[in-house]
Amino acid sequence: DIQMTQSPSSLSASVGDRVTITCRASQGISNYLAWFQQKPGKAPKSLIYAASSLQSGVPSKFSGSGSGTDFTFTISSLQPEDFATYYCQQYNSYPLTFGGGTKVEIK
Amino acid sequence: EVQLLESGGGLVQPGGSLRLSCAASGFTFSSYAMSWVRQAPGKGLEWVSAISGSGGSTYYADSVKGRFTISRDNSKNTLYLQMNSLRAEDTAVYYCAKDQSGLRWPDAFDIWGQGTMVTVSS
Repeated sequence: DIQMTQSPSSLSASVGDRVTITCRASQGISNYLAWFQQKPGKAPKSLIYAASSLQSGVPSKFSGSGSGTDFTFTISSLQPEDFATYYCQQYNSYPLTFGGGTKVEIK
Repeated sequence: EVQLLESGGGLVQPGGSLRLSCAASGFTFSSYAMSWVRQAPGKGLEWVSAISGSGGSTYYADSVKGRFTISRDNSKNTLYLQMNSLRAEDTAVYYCAKDQSGLRWPDAFDIWGQGTMVTVSS
């Protein structure tokens, strides 16, 4: 199985900050990497697929990059509605696997 | 509007069974693979099972293999998860999720349902 290691597990940031989360795969997954946002008590929301492509309707303040084993997710200017938990996920092969999540909290 | 609506969750005793449903609307259901993903209270996301658009191919996480069965009825636009021999560690919110393009399998998820809670407890 492909292990996904996400860091940090949590971070505190202020409105307007640039935030970066990293995700590492235990083996190469090309660009078959997705990012999701989840707010408390809500279903996950798909943000990015193919490592860097935005899902329809997702604002451009969110971006992703990487290929192979190392990936990054960035929020260019953190807004109040962005405080949530973010997950990476590989869909290169089954079983699909998720990173442990990064909780983005208000500083 | 593309929508997924889960149902069937509830409280069940250890060793019991439950069947979850996911009603799909707003897209050609049979053209897309579907998955179930769960989230235990306070924990992260765990993929559970996937099924191809035709229903002819299925995959399972090791943690549920032999106990859970994924299926679909394309005439009813509905996805199912039959859960048998339930354990306390199966307690979670269960989400259904739609594959994005129907061109590759597996594929990214684009749409998630709102989730249904399953509690396994005596």
